[in-house]
Amino acid sequence: DAKTTQPNSMESNEEEPVHLPCNHSTISGTDYIHWYRQLPSQGPEYVIHGLTSNVNNRMASLAIAEDRKSSTLILHRATLRDAAVYYCILRDSGGSNYKLTFGKGTLLTVNP
Amino acid sequence: DTGVSQDPRHKITKRGQNVTFRCDPISEHNRLYWYRQTLGQGPEFLTYFQNEAQLEKSRLLSDRFSAERPKGSFSTLEIQRTEQGDSAMYLCASSLSGARRYEQYFGPGTRLTVT
Repeated sequence: DAKTTQPNSMESNEEEPVHLPCNHSTISGTDYIHWYRQLPSQGPEYVIHGLTSNVNNRMASLAIAEDRKSSTLILHRATLRDAAVYYCILRDSGGSNYKLTFGKGTLLTVNP
Repeated sequence: DTGVSQDPRHKITKRGQNVTFRCDPISEHNRLYWYRQTLGQGPEFLTYFQNEAQLEKSRLLSDRFSAERPKGSFSTLEIQRTEQGDSAMYLCASSLSGARRYEQYFGPGTRLTVT
């Protein structure tokens, strides 16, 4: 799987939007961009994924650059419960490659 | 939907002992994964099952590790002759096939401490 680069940590204030960046300059045309998060003392949790177009769901939005070399996870109004490690992961849509390859992720701190 | 469950949640064992962990996936999920996570790192893939067939094993899964999913439902991960380096969180995940196959649902993990 292609490599992703994320900041080690970010801070936000409660009820403000949060933009979590991810660089993936070596992404291939068949790589999906996935985001997972891991709350303290829990297993990772699926957040969102996309290929080329921006995506929205009840948890977050995913904005994908036109050249697909970067993406941004957007939490529209951060809450204290959003404090977690956020992982940006690329996975080839073809073949039988179902495993997730996690990096170190971004530790998001949400201040009250 | 009760989610993915893992048992035990914590295990302390002495070096050299064998340990076995259990994972119960979401009932309709035919795919099951094991990952290992050490402090400050993201989870690392260990192995993957589709139904009862073990289709992929990481090089991290040494000969001391064995995983089974005998009836395509629950899975067990056994570590023989544990070493201190085996201390980690062991995570299980499951997923559907088809369009939602990329959404993996994780359990709370089993934290192993080898003394």
